[in-house]
Amino acid sequence: DAGVIQSPRHEVTEMGQEVTLRCKPISGHNSLFWYRQTMMRGLELLIYFNNNVPIDDSGMPEDRFSAKMPNASFSTLKIQPSEPRDSAVYFCASSLDLNTEAFFGQGTRLTVV
Amino acid sequence: AQSVTQPDIHITVSEGASLELRCNYSYGATPYLFWYVQSPGQGLQLLLKYFSGDTLVQGIKGFEAEFKRSQSSFNLRKPSVHWSDAAEYFCAVLLTTQGAQKLVFGQGTRLTINP
Repeated sequence: DAGVIQSPRHEVTEMGQEVTLRCKPISGHNSLFWYRQTMMRGLELLIYFNNNVPIDDSGMPEDRFSAKMPNASFSTLKIQPSEPRDSAVYFCASSLDLNTEAFFGQGTRLTVV
Repeated sequence: AQSVTQPDIHITVSEGASLELRCNYSYGATPYLFWYVQSPGQGLQLLLKYFSGDTLVQGIKGFEAEFKRSQSSFNLRKPSVHWSDAAEYFCAVLLTTQGAQKLVFGQGTRLTINP
């Protein structure tokens, strides 16, 4: 298996623009997580899905952030409009279920200028 | 509040020396605990995990960790580090609240290896 695949690896965008981050989880995994990593706040869980259903989105910072999982093999994290303080590395992870270890993608480094 | 703490932000050790990275958790029930490693520009890779049973768990790359309930700790150890171990290490705890579960990470410990 190729592991968790995220795209793009790097994204530079201007403030106010819409940004969409993509994730393909490991085939057969039922849980998917979106994390944000910054120097100041470390790794923060934004939202996670189980069987394509959002379970907990309490970590989503603002209404500008939204996430979807239309099917078991694809998820998106959208920021609209983007702001400079959204600059971070965004990780997607998947696991067989909620009680097992998570496998991480290589992340998307987002820079909002 | 339920959380996980890594007291050391940055540790430097010499190649071949032993290593111990500290992790303390705050959680009412028996925790599920993990150690992950992150190399520069990479995602997180699982080193080891503790769910139950033997409190000393073995992981990949020669790492081990010991769960000590009395100290609320889950410290990561390696008897002899290699230059390739230089990375950021994260301790994490799986929290269950109101039927929902989430993996919460500590702030990380950056490991530097001196030749």
